Amino acid sequence: GAGVSQSPSNKVTEKGKDVELRCDPISGHTALYWYRQRLGQGLEFLIYFQGNSAPDKSGLPSDRFSAERTGESVSTLTIQRTQQEDSAVYLCAESRVDTEAFFGQGTRLTVV
Amino acid sequence: DQQVKQNSPSLSVQEGRISILNCDYTNSMFDYFLWYKKYPAEGPTFLISISSIKDKNEDGRFTVFLNKSAKHLSLHIVPSQPGDSAVYFCAASGGAGSYQLTFGKGTKLSVIP
Repeated sequence: GAGVSQSPSNKVTEKGKDVELRCDPISGHTALYWYRQRLGQGLEFLIYFQGNSAPDKSGLPSDRFSAERTGESVSTLTIQRTQQEDSAVYLCAESRVDTEAFFGQGTRLTVV
Repeated sequence: DQQVKQNSPSLSVQEGRISILNCDYTNSMFDYFLWYKKYPAEGPTFLISISSIKDKNEDGRFTVFLNKSAKHLSLHIVPSQPGDSAVYFCAASGGAGSYQLTFGKGTKLSVIP
């Protein structure tokens, strides 16, 4: 497809369970970001990947959060032992270096 | 500490009139500014950007103004259309972490027919 694709679009999970969110890249976009938007909040930076460089994990809110990306392929964001405060829309964005970021439609995560 | 602030959570404008969305920033290292538009259940889409070497950038009905001394930028939409109703996010990047976009909380624009 032409755009950034995220799956699932919606996920409801029980507190304490692990979840994995997926982002499929656009060919040629070397930079990948994960953001989240909690209700009433702005977009919060989580993690950044650039090629084969070490990722910038400075935005991850706790060690329950992790993300992987191999080269310029699919990225997964994993949240372990989910808590209710993890409920948010998780957005993946990609760009070529120093251009605007193109966002996926997001995954709405609800922890009950 | 919010580095990018959008102090108006919402704005209502009559169709055909001008919409002005404001954004303030505190980090003097920011040198690139963007506006994103977001419809419900969709990811943000890029709208317009401006580099700190300019004070104005125009694209059709959309114009972004940058006042570096005041650390303020604004997005003007004229004439406003009902399809412009969305949440508008201001974003900034620059400095050591130049790849990272820092976003404001957004302003919900409603254009009334």
